[in-house]
Amino acid sequence: AQSVTQLDSQVPVFEEAPVELRCNYSSSVSVYLFWYVQYPNQGLQLLLKYLSGSTLVESINGFEAEFNKSQTSFHLRKPSVHISDTAEYFCAVSEESNYQLIWGAGTKLIIKP
Amino acid sequence: NAGVTQTPKFQVLKTGQSMTLQCAQDMNHEYMSWYRQDPGMGLRLIHYSVGAGITDQGEVPNGYNVSRSTTEDFPLRLLSAAPSQTSVYFCASSYSDTSSQPLHFGNGTRLTVT
Repeated sequence: AQSVTQLDSQVPVFEEAPVELRCNYSSSVSVYLFWYVQYPNQGLQLLLKYLSGSTLVESINGFEAEFNKSQTSFHLRKPSVHISDTAEYFCAVSEESNYQLIWGAGTKLIIKP
Repeated sequence: NAGVTQTPKFQVLKTGQSMTLQCAQDMNHEYMSWYRQDPGMGLRLIHYSVGAGITDQGEVPNGYNVSRSTTEDFPLRLLSAAPSQTSVYFCASSYSDTSSQPLHFGNGTRLTVT
């Protein structure tokens, strides 16, 4: 992957509202796609990943992301956010032939009570 | 299961000092890496290793050295600290060097160079 773009550095949203965090990438070959989450003062954790198969992938805590090959996007969504979702979210992409991950700059999800 | 353990959690250095950031994993992962995280810049790869005795440079290797004498340990050495190296450093590991394997991260070392 040449680059990964997370257009929003911060996304404020009210509790129980839906949210979408955007991720676009540039690559001309097959890719693997990841979303990682970083809670305050912690390391990153894998949230969900797309390797192959169904383009819609889900996490255990209600997030989902859809791989759109034509738009080269992998946006993250949640229908109703909770205060505990406050974190920074990173999109990352790797190509089949190249191990190294390319990271987006991150999006801080700010939940307003 | 401890996962990836980094020490220390915090460190303050004076310009020119050297130090080693420790990283250990107990998951028998072949691949280990060091990243630095700076505000608005995401994660940048410093060095990585695909197995004991094998290391390679990432995106921002200058000023840092690594070695991998065992599968478990991957220390990062700062040779002569500079204020530009003030950052949060993360060690990460994965099962193998295939591009589909997710990374497991430590909790980070926050380094300040004055």
